Amino acid sequence: GAVVSQHPSWVICKSGTSVKIECRSLDFQATTMFWYRQFPKQSLMLMATSNEGSKATYEQGVEKDKFLINHASLTLSTLTVTSAHPEDSSFYICSAPRIMGKGVGYTFGSGTRLTVV
Amino acid sequence: DQQVKQNSPSLSVQEGRISILNCDYTNSMFDYFLWYKKYPAEGPTFLISISSIKDKNEDGRFTVFLNKSAKHLSLHIVPSQPGDSAVYFCAGPMNRDDKIIFGKGTRLHILP
Repeated sequence: GAVVSQHPSWVICKSGTSVKIECRSLDFQATTMFWYRQFPKQSLMLMATSNEGSKATYEQGVEKDKFLINHASLTLSTLTVTSAHPEDSSFYICSAPRIMGKGVGYTFGSGTRLTVV
Repeated sequence: DQQVKQNSPSLSVQEGRISILNCDYTNSMFDYFLWYKKYPAEGPTFLISISSIKDKNEDGRFTVFLNKSAKHLSLHIVPSQPGDSAVYFCAGPMNRDDKIIFGKGTRLHILP
């Protein structure tokens, strides 16, 4: 089946540094990638939608200059958390929709646990 | 405005019994609904879906019921097994751009 590989699975970084998270579709072309964030005991909140070859679309309240999204190819989308602060510590997950016989299927990455110290 | 609501943050069920997870929605524009299961520090895994034109879909131990007039759906797991202990998310994709809107999730504990 379709697989989205997400790396790293966990990262600890110092406050003020930047962290890049990669999501790679391994056996299908992902023209769109959704980026989610999950705080402890809370739901998955959509942050932004990346589209190959065009600018990402950010949800209300998400700082586009802080969460840089790049979707340079049909198999790779990246999220860079710039100048990270402890409040950015969270679980980040990507998801790629793909057309299936009876509708749209969604493949999720395995997530990245970011801890900013 | 929360378009997909899961009002029970947690649920405990005896092994072998039926687990019923509930979800309400406010937007009638959802074409279908999805249920995902999630373990800590992992991405969600797809369980089962239901089209908005159906009222029931069954897959093994999992059955989802949809009541459109009440804007309510439920996931039934029977018999419940220890490996079912996880957080379950109800989700609806927005048909205009395929974005998924998730509920807050319900943590299911299967008791031995």
